[in-house]
Amino acid sequence: ELKVEQNPLFLSMQEGKNYTIYCNYSTTSDRLYWYRQDPGKSLESLFVLLSNGAVKQEGRLMASLDTKARLSTLHITAAVHDLSATYFCAVDSNYGGSQGNLIFGKGTKLSVKP
Amino acid sequence: NAGVTQTPKFQVLKTGQSMTLQCAQDMNHNSMYWYRQDPGMGLRLIYYSASEGTTDKGEVPNGYNVSRLNKREFSLRLESAAPSQTSVYFCASNRIHTGANQPQHFGDGTRLSIL
Repeated sequence: ELKVEQNPLFLSMQEGKNYTIYCNYSTTSDRLYWYRQDPGKSLESLFVLLSNGAVKQEGRLMASLDTKARLSTLHITAAVHDLSATYFCAVDSNYGGSQGNLIFGKGTKLSVKP
Repeated sequence: NAGVTQTPKFQVLKTGQSMTLQCAQDMNHNSMYWYRQDPGMGLRLIYYSASEGTTDKGEVPNGYNVSRLNKREFSLRLESAAPSQTSVYFCASNRIHTGANQPQHFGDGTRLSIL
């Protein structure tokens, strides 16, 4: 059974600082997704990571995937208040096949303070 | 662009009542999903429909039924609501085919309270 763990679950940062959110998963997978959710809102897709060593960047966020370690990271550079949200990683449960169902982590609630 | 539309946005039910949550997408996606989101639990898959005419159970299907009415619409029914089903329900869709790895697109959610 695929399990996905994120840490930390809560993160309070100061503006301008760097930090990393970790996403570990328990069984082999080759597709990982990062989503952002603002309070009371829907989920917005941030990154799709499809292969070992994949790295994607958008603004102050950079995501990477290490399939051998079963680990993805979401790195935040020089945080700003607008990045305050809950970030979810989600792992595809159907390794080697067509897209399967996603198993979500519990989310990391990020608060960026001035 | 509407994307994924869920109705209603809010609902309060009494224990034992039934209701249907509606979801429609206009992106010509073949796959659709229903999740529930509870505090501290992330999202958990209730049911999904890989293509029109098929439905399958997800992680937490008990107490729910679904209907894939056509390619656009996927509804979730609570036959006899229980307080444990108080949650935020999200519908999502994406296009699945060989080699495609599209993320799922989510609706705005339905906030359901059962008293």
